Amino acid sequence: DAGVIQSPRHEVTEMGQEVTLRCKPISGHNSLFWYRQTMMRGLELLIYFNNNVPIDDSGMPEDRFSAKMPNASFSTLKIQPSEPRDSAVYFCASSPPWTGRNQPQHFGDGTRLSIL
Amino acid sequence: RKEVEQDPGPFNVPEGATVAFNCTYSNSASQSFFWYRQDCRKEPKLLMSVYSSGNEDGRFTAQLNRASQYISLLIRDSKLSDSATYLCAVNIMNTGFQKLVFGTGTRLLVSP
Repeated sequence: DAGVIQSPRHEVTEMGQEVTLRCKPISGHNSLFWYRQTMMRGLELLIYFNNNVPIDDSGMPEDRFSAKMPNASFSTLKIQPSEPRDSAVYFCASSPPWTGRNQPQHFGDGTRLSIL
Repeated sequence: RKEVEQDPGPFNVPEGATVAFNCTYSNSASQSFFWYRQDCRKEPKLLMSVYSSGNEDGRFTAQLNRASQYISLLIRDSKLSDSATYLCAVNIMNTGFQKLVFGTGTRLLVSP
């Protein structure tokens, strides 16, 4: 079975450029999560969607970050304009519908983003 | 107080040792708990869920202490391949939807 698929795996770009990260969740999962991981701050939840609707975006650092989920099989995280401090590994994760207990999240391989 | 807290380590243990990590959480309404393993430059991978009565998977045992609001992970007979960072995760319900909060991880180094 295909897991969560993220692209690109690596992205190196200059500051000020627009960056778009992509995610395809596991089929049948109805929750999707975007995380950012750095050495200093660990794994931070940026935003999550349930049934394609953004539920909590309180973790989005600032207005330069935006996320969309136009359908159940695709989501994007966009940074515009990008800054060096945005350099991190960005993970997408998905989880199946809530059944009352123990719904773990499954992570994609991540996008390693470097802003020069 | 952070929602989920872990000792960052590193825990340095010899092969064959038994090692235990704890993870404390602040939200008493939390219902679901997990341990993830993350290898260097890789994504977190689910190691095991944590059930109220405690559960075991081979050399790994997970326990939940609701009264003191912590979960634990015990690894017996440590292997070199157990070297990794172990993240605890706590599900909390937020306006009817689940949200998973991760600890910063505990690094384990198993040496020959």
